[in-house]
Amino acid sequence: DTGVSQDPRHKITKRGQNVTFRCDPISEHNRLYWYRQTLGQGPEFLTYFQNEAQLEKSRLLSDRFSAERPKGSFSTLEIQRTEQGDSAMYLCASSPSGRRETQYFGPGTRLLVL
Amino acid sequence: AQRVTQPEKLLSVFKGAPVELKCNYSYSGSPELFWYVQYSRQRLQLLLRHISRESIKGFTADLNKGETSFHLKKPFAQEEDSAMYYCALPVNSGGSNYKLTFGKGTLLTVNP
Repeated sequence: DTGVSQDPRHKITKRGQNVTFRCDPISEHNRLYWYRQTLGQGPEFLTYFQNEAQLEKSRLLSDRFSAERPKGSFSTLEIQRTEQGDSAMYLCASSPSGRRETQYFGPGTRLLVL
Repeated sequence: AQRVTQPEKLLSVFKGAPVELKCNYSYSGSPELFWYVQYSRQRLQLLLRHISRESIKGFTADLNKGETSFHLKKPFAQEEDSAMYYCALPVNSGGSNYKLTFGKGTLLTVNP
């Protein structure tokens, strides 16, 4: 399968713990996006990478959240000191260069904070 | 500010009936809109984009700038069309970032 992959698919954690999610984009895609989706809502933008550079962060991304994309390949999203409000589906998407190119989504990581 | 509105959370039709999923947008620039679909237990995937003017799986969507709408239509619904449908608007906030603004989605159920 050459699509976008995410790991883990599910994560249950206790409030206050740190969690890290991984996204592997389609190999030739240099753009990478993270979105968050809560129940009853569409995905909401969190952050964007062009190669290894993080070029935009949403106001939704509090200082407990950090994302990286070393070497411009896979990306990680870390949440420190998780809160119950962080429970959501975290989606990763990638796209090639070009104006308004299609974004291809991964299966998501479902986080539950107890 | 950019916004995408899908007024119907749920839409239920019978097999063979026409279906229309509504999408309205608010955007100051020249819009380009997408419809994404999520079938049960599958990932979000692109269904169609207005710029390509294609018909995918019998679905079409026309961008109406006067009504700021991009409704998704299919003349004869099939049971396999049952899914969650999201309308999305790429927004460029400068540079190469075309982040998507999504509507809340419409769950389409096609009954036999």
